[in-house]
Amino acid sequence: SQQGEEDPQALSIQEGENATMNCSYKTSINNLQWYRQNSGRGLVHLILIRSNEREKHSGRLRVTLDTSKKSSSLLITASRAADTASYFCATDPRSGGYNKLIFGAGTRLAVHP
Amino acid sequence: SAVISQKPSRDICQRGTSLTIQCQVDSQVTMMFWYRQQPGQSLTLIATANQGSEATYESGFVIDKFPISRPNLTFSTLTVSNMSPEDSSIYLCSGSVTSYNEQFFGPGTRLTVL
Repeated sequence: SQQGEEDPQALSIQEGENATMNCSYKTSINNLQWYRQNSGRGLVHLILIRSNEREKHSGRLRVTLDTSKKSSSLLITASRAADTASYFCATDPRSGGYNKLIFGAGTRLAVHP
Repeated sequence: SAVISQKPSRDICQRGTSLTIQCQVDSQVTMMFWYRQQPGQSLTLIATANQGSEATYESGFVIDKFPISRPNLTFSTLTVSNMSPEDSSIYLCSGSVTSYNEQFFGPGTRLTVL
């Protein structure tokens, strides 16, 4: 079963607005990673946040992690039409014995010009 | 990051046949994985490709259906055997490059089974 759940399932915004996507998970993790996928192509790695970190930034991306609530958020500021894609969170569970990732269901983001 | 390539990028196959997908990674990668993404769904891990030994399969995936090889550190293949339309999916390989299991993905292989 999937570790993570993401909300919203779909998000539609105008260019220039901010987009916030949330991810919840069930078990203790080593880290959480965010990915972007354009039109069913390969995944692009956006950012990794470790379990002892609370916030990370990369360009227009801001990721937060709250391990007490088992949740993470991805904020894209000043969105562009090119940000239209599906966004997935993936957790690296602390148990499991080897380095597997468990993916959430994803959020489909549409940014309109 | 890591450079990961896959081929073919897409294929259309007849039911009952098999397709082998190749994945090439650069030398930074330590572990390699194969995932399946069914239409409109998220990614599900099929197996971890182990160098020189049998792959480690996740629940619901078996070696007879998805044989995997990894003869060296930078190359792996996934075969989808005796295909049915239910196997129509995107198949992706990934590699981890740091002790934090930072995984990077190939461009995927879009498989359609008729």
